Amino acid sequence: GQNIDQPTEMTATEGAIVQINCTYQTSGFNGLFWYQQHAGEAPTFLSYNVLDGLEEKGRFSSFLSRSKGYSYLLLKELQMKDSASYLCALYNFNKFYFGSGTKLNVKP
Amino acid sequence: DTAVSQTPKYLVTQMGNDKSIKCEQNLGHDTMYWYKQDSKKFLKIMFSYNNKELIINETVPNRFSPKSPDKAHLNLHINSLELGDSAVYFCASSPSSGDQETQYFGPGTRLLVL
Repeated sequence: GQNIDQPTEMTATEGAIVQINCTYQTSGFNGLFWYQQHAGEAPTFLSYNVLDGLEEKGRFSSFLSRSKGYSYLLLKELQMKDSASYLCALYNFNKFYFGSGTKLNVKP
Repeated sequence: DTAVSQTPKYLVTQMGNDKSIKCEQNLGHDTMYWYKQDSKKFLKIMFSYNNKELIINETVPNRFSPKSPDKAHLNLHINSLELGDSAVYFCASSPSSGDQETQYFGPGTRLLVL
């Protein structure tokens, strides 16, 4: 596997900013993806990085540093509907390798 | 308007039975996948097909056999079901098997083996 690590669970307050980290132990991959999965539903695509740096998409941003084996997903202006699991995934040669996900609890 | 659909949504069956799950995508994508998500929410790829041809076959027991009659369909047949097969099975599709491809997931099939 790709040894993808994410924190199991995080809690944050509505309106705040939260950063979900993802570390991995592989040198070669095409891209790093972030997916959101609400309980009992399918994962949905949020963002991806191919090159190092920050990709911004509205309230969501994702950052990648290949040299450090590190990515994060930044969620701004948290809303209650952001309570979900966030999955980090590496894409390499037709395969997606998923981390176990971080469950985010947004409280009022 | 459903992009990736799966049937059935729920499947409860006895150990030893044979069952099939169907998947269809109307996005015109070339590549389709089957994933298994266990109780710990870990999503693991099982198979991938590109234009009806098998391109990925992870270490999955032979009891699992995918079939792709055309590039819009990828079905999963499971023989001699075991308790450990209980999980959520997700079908997904992507435009091609190249770089930077985003996958679109179906709603999942919740399989419970008793």
